Amino acid sequence: SAVISQKPSRDICQRGTSLTIQCQVDSQVTMMFWYRQQPGQSLTLIATANQGSEATYESGFVIDKFPISRPNLTFSTLTVSNMSPEDSSIYLCSSIPGTSPGSEQFFGPGTRLTVL
Amino acid sequence: GEDVEQSLFLSVREGDSSVINCTYTDSSSTYLYWYKQEPGAGLQLLTYIFSNMDMKQDQRLTVLLNKKDKHLSLRIADTQTGDSAIYFCAAYSSASKIIFGSGTRLSIRP
Repeated sequence: SAVISQKPSRDICQRGTSLTIQCQVDSQVTMMFWYRQQPGQSLTLIATANQGSEATYESGFVIDKFPISRPNLTFSTLTVSNMSPEDSSIYLCSSIPGTSPGSEQFFGPGTRLTVL
Repeated sequence: GEDVEQSLFLSVREGDSSVINCTYTDSSSTYLYWYKQEPGAGLQLLTYIFSNMDMKQDQRLTVLLNKKDKHLSLRIADTQTGDSAIYFCAAYSSASKIIFGSGTRLSIRP
């Protein structure tokens, strides 16, 4: 299994500012992902964080708004840029530790973001 | 792309069995998952099943997979109040990513 931590756990931000969320995994993992869970909704995949290269974004999400870094096999960051109230959500980091894609996927505790 | 669908609500009496259903569209999905999310808490992986299996049982949980119909179900035997939560079905798609359903909110009646 993999233990995932995220920082910050929650934040309240002003419109127009940016917030960087950190994700740390306790072991090297092959795949890392960022999801968003809006209030009362399911999880929506934002992007796959690729180690050493640009992230792969899902439809509706762009690098300028959600820049992602993954400098190594245990760490990733997601920045929510130029925030608006519509960005208020829980942002979740997840990883698949196995070398076999599609094996168990673990989630961090999430970062609860409120934009005023 | 992959689409995963579930009903939004399920209400069962305490002690009865709960059956939560899910359908998915990508026939090449190799792994299918069930997650539990309690109010204000994170996602807990309950169980998962490989696409070459029909059934998996783990204590009170039974997962059934009908690959032909692309239908997955989670049965919780002897449902307890602590089982109240949102249950998410998810599928690992051929595009190397995991897609989640909308979640089924399970409520327990005394």
